[in-house]
Amino acid sequence: EAQVTQNPRYLITVTGKKLTVTCSQNMNHEYMSWYRQDPGLGLRQIYYSMNVEVTDKGDVPEGYKVSRKEKRNFPLILESPSPNQTSLYFCASSLLAGGPSGYNEQFFGPGTRLTVL
Amino acid sequence: ILNVEQSPQSLHVQEGDSTNFTCSFPSSNFYALHWYRWETAKSPEALFVMTLNGDEKKKGRISATLNTKEGYSYLYIKGSQPEDSATYLCAWGRSGSARQLTFGSGTQLTVLP
Repeated sequence: EAQVTQNPRYLITVTGKKLTVTCSQNMNHEYMSWYRQDPGLGLRQIYYSMNVEVTDKGDVPEGYKVSRKEKRNFPLILESPSPNQTSLYFCASSLLAGGPSGYNEQFFGPGTRLTVL
Repeated sequence: ILNVEQSPQSLHVQEGDSTNFTCSFPSSNFYALHWYRWETAKSPEALFVMTLNGDEKKKGRISATLNTKEGYSYLYIKGSQPEDSATYLCAWGRSGSARQLTFGSGTQLTVLP
């Protein structure tokens, strides 16, 4: 089954304790992205990757790191989490080419609800 | 960050009613407009991707139109059913932005039986 998986789905942690949220897709998509969703705000992009070893900042990258060592995986790293990073996080992936004007639909993972105390 | 606005923020309709909501986006440097449906406790799922001015897309009882010159898109649901209850998100893709999408905050639709 074509899917995007994220782990963990729920996490409660404390300020300053490094954590990683994993994201994996089995659709051979070049493009992967991390978003956070907060009440009253739209999905805001944290980081994105156009392919292996190619990553770039989105609109709200502060406090986050990513890596793309393999095409299928795109982990999100919080080196020193703070309470303002409490949020619902989504990973998404899409093909880069072949769709309408190259802007293909994004496939989203199930979300990770993170609470930083 | 350039704004994508959706209205209304929330909407309650009776089963069988038809409804529509709006997504407004910057008309300059337009590349694509996406609509996603997001049910509670699930992940957003794509409904439509539109790129051309005047585009109309349809999937069952749901359809969407696009006006890139004035910067808006409408989503229509005909004969709403309780299973249509969800948050509907639009996302604007800007040319030259490396496939970044800017999302609106969504319209939350509740269809009452």
